[in-house]
This record gives sequence, C-alpha cells and structure tokens, in this order.
Amino acid sequence: DTGVSQNPRHKITKRGQNVTFRCDPISEHNRLYWYRQTLGQGPEFLTYFQNEAQLEKSRLLSDRFSAERPKGSFSTLEIQRTEQGDSAMYLCASSVNRQGARGGYTFGSGTRLTVV
Amino acid sequence: KQEVTQIPAALSVPEGENLVLNCSFTDSAIYNLQWFRQDPGKGLTSLLLIQSSQREQTSGRLNASLDKSSGRSTLYIAASQPGDSATYLCAVKAQGGSEKLVFGKGTKLTVNP
Repeated sequence: DTGVSQNPRHKITKRGQNVTFRCDPISEHNRLYWYRQTLGQGPEFLTYFQNEAQLEKSRLLSDRFSAERPKGSFSTLEIQRTEQGDSAMYLCASSVNRQGARGGYTFGSGTRLTVV
Repeated sequence: KQEVTQIPAALSVPEGENLVLNCSFTDSAIYNLQWFRQDPGKGLTSLLLIQSSQREQTSGRLNASLDKSSGRSTLYIAASQPGDSATYLCAVKAQGGSEKLVFGKGTKLTVNP
C-alpha cells in the first residue's frame, strides 16, 4: 500500500458541468476526509467519513457537493453545476481510529480542479 | 471559532541556518496539533503530531513544541538544507469530537544554497 491515491490529478471543466473525483485511502484506515485548498490558503475541511458513514459535513459543502464512501473503502466527491469559485485543489486524507494509534493524517496528492 | 495564524508568511534563509516557524491558535481546547509540509502543487506530508498532553515532539532535524495555555506552537528546523524549501502548515484539532483540522495559511520557506 503506497498511500492515499487521488484521481484524476488535474481536471479542467466548463462552468455548469458536473465533475467527480475519487480517493483511495490507505487500506487499513477507517477514517477518510475531504479538504479544499485555494491558492495561498490552508486547506479547509469539507467532510469526514468513518467507514461508510458520513459523520461530519462543513457548511462549505453546499447542495451542489456530495460525497460518498460505499462499503467504507474508496470515496467519491461530486460537484454538480460547477462554478468558477469551485476552482481549487481538492485533497483527500485518511487516518485510523484504534487504540494506540497516533491519530495522524496521511494526505493524497490532490485533484486540481479548474473551472473555465 | 478556532483561528490559526502562522508567522512569518514567508522566510528566506541561507543553507545551514537554524530557524523557527511560529503557529498560534485562538482556542486552547485542542486535542492535538500537527505540522505538515507541502511542496508546490502537491499534497501534504505529516511531519510531527503533538497530543494536547505533550510539550514537544522531535523527528530528526525537526522539533515541535506546544504551549497549549498560551495558544502557541513552534517548529524548529536545525541545520536547514535546500531540500527543506516548502510551505509549512500548522493544523489543530479541537477537543469535543469534531474530526475537523483547522489550518493556518502556512509559512513559505526558501533555503538558499
């Protein structure tokens, strides 16, 4: 297992189109997170899954955004009717919740979305 | 609402210098604090994680300290190298069950050969 994998690495889309990103976490990690990062800013939390359950959502996650994690493995983040303000790097991270675990995150390399 | 501030926003140093990056947070009720490194256009690499009950963590040339009561953390980098050039981000996780990390905007470090 080489870490958290995100696909695609880059996505250019026209305004109004729908896009979907995929994240494959480290296999033994039961927690998965999505963050969004714009230029010059730190990442902002979007949502968090423990196994297949979506337990926390940010107010940043508007009705146009939806995330799933079927079967508690990979996750998808879909943005409907994209807007130019959605242009950002979308980062996925995973961690493990068990006795003795440090609680640190492993981030993927991100998907850079450009809406034109 | 937790706010995380990192000073300076950018730092340029000659190779070999020891340096300190600063992070402050407004709400001291944190569960842990992490320091990350981010290379241009890439994801984040976790460097050090300090639990709220700890005062410092060390990994190689890196040492992070935490003063929860004053809302401050520092990342000390010894004998800096050009390969240390990156943006360093500080993030806190609150007590109370939320899994959200709140990040600062980062310090962009350039180490000149």
